Amino acid sequence: DGGITQSPKYLFRKEGQNVTLSCEQNLNHDAMYWYRQDPGQGLRLIYYSQIVNDFQKGDIAEGYSVSREKKESFPLTVTSAQKNPTAFYLCASSATGTGANRGGSPLHFGNGTRLTVT
Amino acid sequence: KQEVTQIPAALSVPEGENLVLNCSFTDSAIYNLQWFRQDPGKGLTSLLLIQSSQREQTSGRLNASLDKSSGRSTLYIAASQPGDSATYLCAVRLGTSGSRLTFGEGTQLTVNP
Repeated sequence: DGGITQSPKYLFRKEGQNVTLSCEQNLNHDAMYWYRQDPGQGLRLIYYSQIVNDFQKGDIAEGYSVSREKKESFPLTVTSAQKNPTAFYLCASSATGTGANRGGSPLHFGNGTRLTVT
Repeated sequence: KQEVTQIPAALSVPEGENLVLNCSFTDSAIYNLQWFRQDPGKGLTSLLLIQSSQREQTSGRLNASLDKSSGRSTLYIAASQPGDSATYLCAVRLGTSGSRLTFGEGTQLTVNP
């Protein structure tokens, strides 16, 4: 079955440590995204990538870094510079069309990683 | 900057009731609008996607409408069931940057047996 796999489901880290969250998709989607969700809030975009070896900052990129070396993978590193890293992190992907269909594809989500930093 | 608002924040209804969830957005230059369902501790499941040229989409007991000119979308759930209990989020994909989605904060729905 095609889908998006995020691992691990739960992650615990000490303050000051960097941590990398994994996101893998086998949907053959060009675009991938990282969102953060805090209790009672909507999703906020951290980073997104429309093609391999390219990515753009979202609304809350400070303290995070990403790479997109393969189409299937879009890992997110939460660095020690992130002030409030404890949150639920969601990875998503979508197909990208061209021209008038550029924005037309639905977003598919993984099951998330809950990161707790103490 | 695009802002998306969902009203109400929470809704509790008895089983069998028809209900409407609301989503409003400030910038009407969108490519599409998507409704999602989120169960506690889980990722988001896509329910319906409405392209900017469409007025509505239907899937089973769900019907979503889109009025771009007024910046509004509604999700209609017919004959609600306890299994419909979840948080429902809407998201708009911006027209100026085809890849970005902006999410509302969601409506937490509880359907009581």
